[in-house]
Amino acid sequence: NFILTQPHSVSGSPGKTVTIACARSRGNIANDYVHWYQQRPGSSPTTVIYEDNQRPSGVPDRFSGSIDSSSNSASLTISGLKTEDEAVYYCQSYDATNAVFGGGTKLTVL
Amino acid sequence: QLVESGGGLVKPGGSLRLSCAASGFTFKNAWMNWVRQAPGKGLEWVGRIKSKTNGGTTDYAAPVKDRFIISRDDSRNMLYLQLNSLKTEDTAVYYCTTEYGYCSSTTCHYYFYMDVWGKGTTVTVSS
Repeated sequence: NFILTQPHSVSGSPGKTVTIACARSRGNIANDYVHWYQQRPGSSPTTVIYEDNQRPSGVPDRFSGSIDSSSNSASLTISGLKTEDEAVYYCQSYDATNAVFGGGTKLTVL
Repeated sequence: QLVESGGGLVKPGGSLRLSCAASGFTFKNAWMNWVRQAPGKGLEWVGRIKSKTNGGTTDYAAPVKDRFIISRDDSRNMLYLQLNSLKTEDTAVYYCTTEYGYCSSTTCHYYFYMDVWGKGTTVTVSS
């Protein structure tokens, strides 16, 4: 198996841009899709990005995802920060028979 | 829509069966997952069951393998998670999720994309 490592927390001011990284410990990040979930307090997770960089309908284009093979990591970028973006964000990928979640990153909008 | 039930307080070593009622989609074709979240902690994948047309096979995370069993009743649109030999570290909110499949006319591909989540049911393992 492998591990996905995320920063414990990030912060940004309204209107600014933040990026959350997700580093894969083993295996090529580009070989398996990365999905990103948002979880607000007391709620179930919802998808903000799937298949590395696809947005579900209803997710604003302020949210974007990317893959960087050189660092074997994925990134979630949120631009034009809003207070409603404050939440915990999880990256998730998989191997042949297991899904793996990152530890989660708490985004604080100051 | 997914609605979990069956959570509660159980002693270490005990058993519990969680249920997930599915509606609004063709359940028999769906691949389903269980994900849990310990209090104040992150998400942890528990396991998955494929559709019967794909063999109905199951996969489990290492911490629960040989203790938990995922099953399904397509006639009732129900997903189950049997929890056995429970440990205090199994205390968590348990979510059932659908897994999105990318289907052509002949086949579907799955990438552990958990697109619909229930609200969860809480399991507490304590003496």
